[in-house]
Amino acid sequence: GAVVSQHPSWVICKSGTSVKIECRSLDFQATTMFWYRQFPKQSLMLMATSNEGSKATYEQGVEKDKFLINHASLTLSTLTVTSAHPEDSSFYICSARVPGVDYEQYFGPGTRLTVT
Amino acid sequence: AQSVTQPDIHITVSEGASLELRCNYSYGATPYLFWYVQSPGQGLQLLLKYFSGDTLVQGIKGFEAEFKRSQSSFNLRKPSVHWSDAAEYFCAVGGGYSTLTFGKGTMLLVSP
Repeated sequence: GAVVSQHPSWVICKSGTSVKIECRSLDFQATTMFWYRQFPKQSLMLMATSNEGSKATYEQGVEKDKFLINHASLTLSTLTVTSAHPEDSSFYICSARVPGVDYEQYFGPGTRLTVT
Repeated sequence: AQSVTQPDIHITVSEGASLELRCNYSYGATPYLFWYVQSPGQGLQLLLKYFSGDTLVQGIKGFEAEFKRSQSSFNLRKPSVHWSDAAEYFCAVGGGYSTLTFGKGTMLLVSP
């Protein structure tokens, strides 16, 4: 089956620094990837839709300049949290849309970000 | 805009007993519905999906769900729960541009 990986699986950074999270589709090409944020014991909130070769579409309330998304290739999307603050600490999950199948997504294992 | 309600935050079921997790959705058209399972610190795994056709959908790990349009529901069921089923379960509905809207999840606890 289709596999989506994320790197790193966890990261600790200091307040004010930036951190990049990678999302890769390992055995298929994903023209569309999604980034979610999940707070402890909460649901997944869609942050943005990442389309290969074009600008990401951000959900209402998500700061574009803080959460930079780049989908440079058909197998890689990156999320950069710029000038991170403790309130950005969260579990970030990416998913990749299954080619040719509406709505169905394969999810990565997630990245735990802790900002100190 | 679409929305999903999972009314039960936690459910405890004895091992071997049957399980039903509730999901109600709000969507203007025919919905695309999903159930996902998440183990602690992990991503989501698709259990089953409903796009159209037979309203009783079979999924992996012995799960099934029934789409009831009149009740706007898509409840997840399993006839006999195993301890390994303990996890968080999310119901989701498909929205515009292939996005998904998730419910808040139901934590399943399995007692011996």
